[in-house]
Amino acid sequence: NAGVTQTPKFQVLKTGQSMTLQCAQDMNHEYMSWYRQDPGMGLRLIHYSVGAGITDQGEVPNGYNVSRSTTEDFPLRLLSAAPSQTSVYFCASSLMTGMEEKLFFGSGTQLSVL
Amino acid sequence: QQPVQSPQAVILREGEDAVINCSSSKALYSVHWYRQKHGEAPVFLMILLKGGEQKGHEKISASFNEKKQQSSLYLTASQLSYSGTYFCVPAETSYDKVIFGPGTSLSVIP
Repeated sequence: NAGVTQTPKFQVLKTGQSMTLQCAQDMNHEYMSWYRQDPGMGLRLIHYSVGAGITDQGEVPNGYNVSRSTTEDFPLRLLSAAPSQTSVYFCASSLMTGMEEKLFFGSGTQLSVL
Repeated sequence: QQPVQSPQAVILREGEDAVINCSSSKALYSVHWYRQKHGEAPVFLMILLKGGEQKGHEKISASFNEKKQQSSLYLTASQLSYSGTYFCVPAETSYDKVIFGPGTSLSVIP
């Protein structure tokens, strides 16, 4: 059982480049979400999904797109990377609704935008 | 809206106790607590649900006062392994966004 898998672990982009951070879970979890964490700060919710085909915005959605075509996958897209998006990104999932079951986290992606 | 956590930081010697508090301005359905060690992902500690149900697996206890919209995390006889940042995650409904609090940095020293 792999749990929540994030790829890549590290990524360096130039300003204006686009990329997709991948997140996959093999636990049949309905709820999936993306967070970013800046140095010395807490986690801020970017986007979340309560099931395939359903997504919604979190606290800091600007500059990011998501889609949920399958239960397993929840990719995060940066359309035009900016230095302000330099951060550690975590994907998380839970079995049912967001607040009734614990979140399982991926190991994170360290993203640097130059 | 983010919850308020206190204290922001605390330093303990091994064996000492600590309490971390979390409060919200809105009526709560549940509260989660997570711990994050440096360079790692957050790890689940505890869920406290409205009505008194608790779900947790570590030797750390917590309380949830629904009327006061507050939760407290109790760490007793602290160990070096307790060091990290503790996050409170309150929710107004079961389908709510999972918004993390600002965190409390806890350092346990020998």
